[in-house]
Amino acid sequence: AQKVTQAQTEISVVEKEDVTLDCVYETRDTTYYLFWYKQPPSGELVFLIRRNSFDEQNEISGRYSWNFQKSTSSFNFTITASQVVDSAVYFCALLNSGYSTLTFGKGTMLLVSP
Amino acid sequence: EPEVTQTPSHQVTQMGQEVILRCVPISNHLYFYWYRQILGQKVEFLVSFYNNEISEKSEIFDDQFSVERPDGSNFTLKIRSTKLEDSAMYFCASSEAQGGGGTDTQYFGPGTRLTVL
Repeated sequence: AQKVTQAQTEISVVEKEDVTLDCVYETRDTTYYLFWYKQPPSGELVFLIRRNSFDEQNEISGRYSWNFQKSTSSFNFTITASQVVDSAVYFCALLNSGYSTLTFGKGTMLLVSP
Repeated sequence: EPEVTQTPSHQVTQMGQEVILRCVPISNHLYFYWYRQILGQKVEFLVSFYNNEISEKSEIFDDQFSVERPDGSNFTLKIRSTKLEDSAMYFCASSEAQGGGGTDTQYFGPGTRLTVL
């Protein structure tokens, strides 16, 4: 069975601070895919990134970066120089090869104040 | 940029009534999904649909739920007799399914908030 744990329920930072959102996953499969989605206050789910289990290269996209470590089953997300518009709930999700279902974590609510 | 659309954005219904939630997936996508999110909780998988049939379904997706692709563009979720606990945000998603697989990135619609009174 697969599981995604986001231990941080809520994080509050002041604008321009860096913040890291943790994600730990469990799966027995050797081939799997990890995702981050953003849910702003308006409610939609916005795709941010996808990584497959064979690609441990870290990725940077503007102020966003992701650190994938298979040894610790973690896929952490860092926002550099946070902005008020980053305020949202962030979900980490897991997809096992051969299945079509996304397993989501409970989400981390990020509040960025001016 | 292509996107998944859902209607209505908010549906209010009485317990026991039937509701149909509608989705228009991204046009070249072949895999379709429904998820739900009870207020303040995590997003839960309901069902996936490929090649005009259900591919996978969760324990939540019982006999009161059904899905249909009535034409070439729409994908619907029907709840036959709504219960109070069906109140949630319902998300439709779609993915490309290159080669028939369901492991492509799923893109989500804006959701339909269902309120059962």
